[in-house]
Amino acid sequence: GAGVSQSPRYKVAKRGQDVALRCDPISGHVSLFWYQQALGQGPEFLTYFQNEAQLDKSGLPSDRFFAERPEGSVSTLKIQRTQQEDSAVYLCASSLTEGPYEQYFGPGTRLTVT
Amino acid sequence: EDQVTQSPEALRLQEGESSSLNCSYTVSGLRGLFWYRQDPGKGPEFLFTLYSAGEEKEKERLKATLTKKESFLHITAPKPEDSATYLCAVARGGYQKVTFGTGTKLQVIP
Repeated sequence: GAGVSQSPRYKVAKRGQDVALRCDPISGHVSLFWYQQALGQGPEFLTYFQNEAQLDKSGLPSDRFFAERPEGSVSTLKIQRTQQEDSAVYLCASSLTEGPYEQYFGPGTRLTVT
Repeated sequence: EDQVTQSPEALRLQEGESSSLNCSYTVSGLRGLFWYRQDPGKGPEFLFTLYSAGEEKEKERLKATLTKKESFLHITAPKPEDSATYLCAVARGGYQKVTFGTGTKLQVIP
């Protein structure tokens, strides 16, 4: 069956540009997570949605980062005025039930800010 | 602040040579401890959830165990296809945030 998909897979942005990263979770999954993963590190939590409600955004590093999931399915992570330190892989994960259990991850979007 | 420390950072095994990976954690009120496998260029793949000390789970050549301070991922008679980075993560009760360790990179040589 279809897993979690993310687009684009690779994105190069010039410093100061805005970017939008898309996540298509598994159909029917209630929970959706965004993570940032630097090279050689584990994923770092950014934000959590339960259906369309953003219940935890404690991991967003600055107010340049914004996420939405307006209809409780597809989600978009937007980064405004990108900086070099934003370069990383951005992972999306979904799970069937409420909470951090058995997450299915997408392949990630590799963002490079030049 | 929740903390997860994994050791060793890297491990090289001969095919069939069993070993264990360690995950030490500090969390106030454990909601769950998770193990994931990550192949290069891919997102993590879920392996296990453990909820309380004394719990054990198995899947093929992998067995995960949990105490109040650490978890072990035992790999029995590994094969080259078990080569990957193994990630440990914890979640605190009442919260959705998951804190990951930096992983153990396992290489199994034929």
